[in-house]
Amino acid sequence: GNSVTQMEGPVTLSEEAFLTINCTYTATGYPSLFWYVQYPGEGLQLLLKATKADDKGSNKGFEATYRKETTSFHLEKGSVQVSDSAVYFCALSDPSSNDYKLSFGAGTTVTVRA
Amino acid sequence: GAGVSQSPSNKVTEKGKDVELRCDPISGHTALYWYRQSLGQGLEFLIYFQGNSAPDKSGLPSDRFSAERTGGSVSTLTIQRTQQEDSAVYLCASSLKGGGTGGHGYTFGSGTRLTVV
Repeated sequence: GNSVTQMEGPVTLSEEAFLTINCTYTATGYPSLFWYVQYPGEGLQLLLKATKADDKGSNKGFEATYRKETTSFHLEKGSVQVSDSAVYFCALSDPSSNDYKLSFGAGTTVTVRA
Repeated sequence: GAGVSQSPSNKVTEKGKDVELRCDPISGHTALYWYRQSLGQGLEFLIYFQGNSAPDKSGLPSDRFSAERTGGSVSTLTIQRTQQEDSAVYLCASSLKGGGTGGHGYTFGSGTRLTVV
């Protein structure tokens, strides 16, 4: 079946540090990949997405590249801010294999200190 | 509507009672999903509706859980004889097409926080 494994947290960083959250996936077809973010006290928001191999999703300074050869979709940001403190979820859906639901990783809690 | 609306936002119920959680998806979205987020845990898929097709109920944890979607729009998740382990945030999401295809992804509601005491 389809599944997502992401780096366990929590991760604590200083402002302006580089952030990487690893995410790898298992899928039987050709999945679409997503990163969702959940800020404290808020609901899930789509951060970025990529729908085919070598696509790069980007938003708010975050980037992730769909790597089919390594089945990965690592999230990166070059210089984090305190406002980036949140829980980040990697997810996939795989309509090509009739799996329409989003399968999520366990989430990574990121805390950025001033 | 402009977004996915869930009600109530908070629900405290006594163990053994039944509860109903409501989700109003974005108008025109044919796909609707329910997820559960337990404290400190990830998101657990519960059920998926797509148009008039039979729902994918593979994530429902027990027969105490059921859901329906009337008229292809509003959905209700019902938990019968609630247990303390049912305490969680129940999230609803909708998408224009199944699987979040068409580049639109999924839009989540703010969730219903259920506490069983």
